[in-house]
Amino acid sequence: EDQVTQSPEALRLQEGESSSLNCSYTVSGLRGLFWYRQDPGKGPEFLFTLYSAGEEKEKERLKATLTKKESFLHITAPKPEDSATYLCAVQAGGFGNEKLTFGTGTRLTIIP
Amino acid sequence: DAGVIQSPRHEVTEMGQEVTLRCKPISGHNSLFWYRQTMMRGLELLIYFNNNVPIDDSGMPEDRFSAKMPNASFSTLKIQPSEPRDSAVYFCASRLLGQPNEKLFFGSGTQLSVL
Repeated sequence: EDQVTQSPEALRLQEGESSSLNCSYTVSGLRGLFWYRQDPGKGPEFLFTLYSAGEEKEKERLKATLTKKESFLHITAPKPEDSATYLCAVQAGGFGNEKLTFGTGTRLTIIP
Repeated sequence: DAGVIQSPRHEVTEMGQEVTLRCKPISGHNSLFWYRQTMMRGLELLIYFNNNVPIDDSGMPEDRFSAKMPNASFSTLKIQPSEPRDSAVYFCASRLLGQPNEKLFFGSGTQLSVL
């Protein structure tokens, strides 16, 4: 069974203080690893897809990286508007498998 | 584009009552997912459809839960009878099969409270 574990559960940072969120996964043949952002009272919003170890993607202050066992979401010089819950999800290989398995998320708070 | 539309946004009901949640996917999307989110278990996939056909319903917790997709623009998730442990946020999501980055678009969710 596919499993995703995110750490820490919650993280409080001062504005401008860089850090990383971790996503460890166990999956039978990774087809894709996804990062989403979720604001209170809203549905998750897509950030990145990573497909193979060594791949990196960036968007503004966020950079996602992938190894064979985990992914990191690096946040550089965060601002208060980066406060949200960040979710990681994996999709296993196999023709026709569309299922995404999510972790429980990291709740990030950026203090001005 | 209006995005994925879910209704109602909030539902409060009493134990034993029937609950129906509704979803309109993004026009043109042909894959639809129902997820349930709780603090303890996070986002759990209940069921998904490809081209209106249920593909995997292994996440549906019990026979009390049922989902239908009568056409490409509408889906329902029904709970009958409802129980307090069904209280959660239920999300619908859709995407286009074969998209390069395969991203899911989520609705705003239905907050269900069963008293």
